[in-house]
Amino acid sequence: AQKVTQAQTEISVVEKEDVTLDCVYETRDTTYYLFWYKQPPSGELVFLIRRNSFDEQNEISGRYSWNFQKSTSSFNFTITASQVVDSAVYFCALSENYGQNFVFGPGTRLSVLP
Amino acid sequence: ETGVTQSPTHLIKTRGQQVTLRCSSQSGHNTVSWYQQALGQGPQFIFQYYREEENGRGNFPPRFSGLQFPNYSSELNVNALELDDSALYLCASSSLTSFEQYFGPGTRLTVT
Repeated sequence: AQKVTQAQTEISVVEKEDVTLDCVYETRDTTYYLFWYKQPPSGELVFLIRRNSFDEQNEISGRYSWNFQKSTSSFNFTITASQVVDSAVYFCALSENYGQNFVFGPGTRLSVLP
Repeated sequence: ETGVTQSPTHLIKTRGQQVTLRCSSQSGHNTVSWYQQALGQGPQFIFQYYREEENGRGNFPPRFSGLQFPNYSSELNVNALELDDSALYLCASSSLTSFEQYFGPGTRLTVT
């Protein structure tokens, strides 16, 4: 069965600090997809990134970067020079079976203090 | 490009009643998925619809049912409401090839 673990329930940092959100997943499929979503206080989930299981290349998008390591079943998310607007709950998600089964982790609440 | 929309925004129902929630998918998307998000938890997958048929289901009882229409919009129906059904219900649309799900703003259901 597929499972996503986000061990950090809450993280607080001061503005401009770097922060890494951890995600560990379990799956028996060889083909799967990993995602990160942001849920600000407004409640709407915002898509951040998708990663295919056969593509381990790390990705950087502005202040955001993602580190995908199949050997440790991890897909970690780093925010560089955090800002107050980054405060939100961040969810890691796993999709098997070509998008049919979508499992979210419990989320990490990030608070960036001014 | 129109995003995912959901209606209503908020809803209050009494235990035992029935409710219908609605979702319009993003243009170009033919797959709709529904999720239940209880307070402080991650979204839980209810089911997915593709071409008007159920295409996967999570661990939810049969009183949770759905429909997808030819224009790819969708409904979530919940019968015999229970207090634990109080949650944010999220709809997400995607294309079957890209697997990226784009979420609507959700419907906040309160069962009293």
